[in-house]
Amino acid sequence: GAGVSQTPSNKVTEKGKYVELRCDPISGHTALYWYRQSLGQGPEFLIYFQGTGAADDSGLPNDRFFAVRPEGSVSTLKIQRTERGDSAVYLCASSSFRGNNEQFFGPGTRLTVL
Amino acid sequence: GDSVTQMEGPVTLSEEAFLTINCTYTATGYPSLFWYVQYPGEGLQLLLKATKADDKGSNKGFEATYRKETTSFHLEKGSVQVSDSAVYFCALSDSDTGNQFYFGTGTSLTVIP
Repeated sequence: GAGVSQTPSNKVTEKGKYVELRCDPISGHTALYWYRQSLGQGPEFLIYFQGTGAADDSGLPNDRFFAVRPEGSVSTLKIQRTERGDSAVYLCASSSFRGNNEQFFGPGTRLTVL
Repeated sequence: GDSVTQMEGPVTLSEEAFLTINCTYTATGYPSLFWYVQYPGEGLQLLLKATKADDKGSNKGFEATYRKETTSFHLEKGSVQVSDSAVYFCALSDSDTGNQFYFGTGTSLTVIP
């Protein structure tokens, strides 16, 4: 498809488990972003990739969170030892260039940690 | 640091009413400003943007003017429709502080017939 896709759309897991969330950006977009959106809040930045490298990971809340983009396209957000507070919608966005260009968002993955 | 403060909702209006959703920002550099909209069950979509002071962004009857003197980017529409019911997010991107977008908390709008 033409837009950003994310899988799964919903993920329910138990506290302490490991999860992976996938993002497939728009073809040709070099910049990829992960955000987390809690209920009633705006998206909060987690990490930004330019190509294969994480150019800015200052938004990752702790070392349980990690993201990769090994070939400069698809990205995976990995959360270890999940906690109930990790429950949120995780959004991925891509952009044709860094900085102030429009970001195109995927539909998100709703993560619920029981 | 950079931030966006957005008018809290929810907002309920009758069809054809005038809409204003206030947004003010704090930024260290010269940000670009955006309004994103999230319709029920859908992802965030760009509604409009402005990249420099005094620019006016417009789309689908919505407008917002980048006011540097008041650090504001208020969203307006002269006559809302039921189909405008959604959550609206103000956001900024500041090249001086990195590549992320800073979002407001969102304002839920419901338009009733």
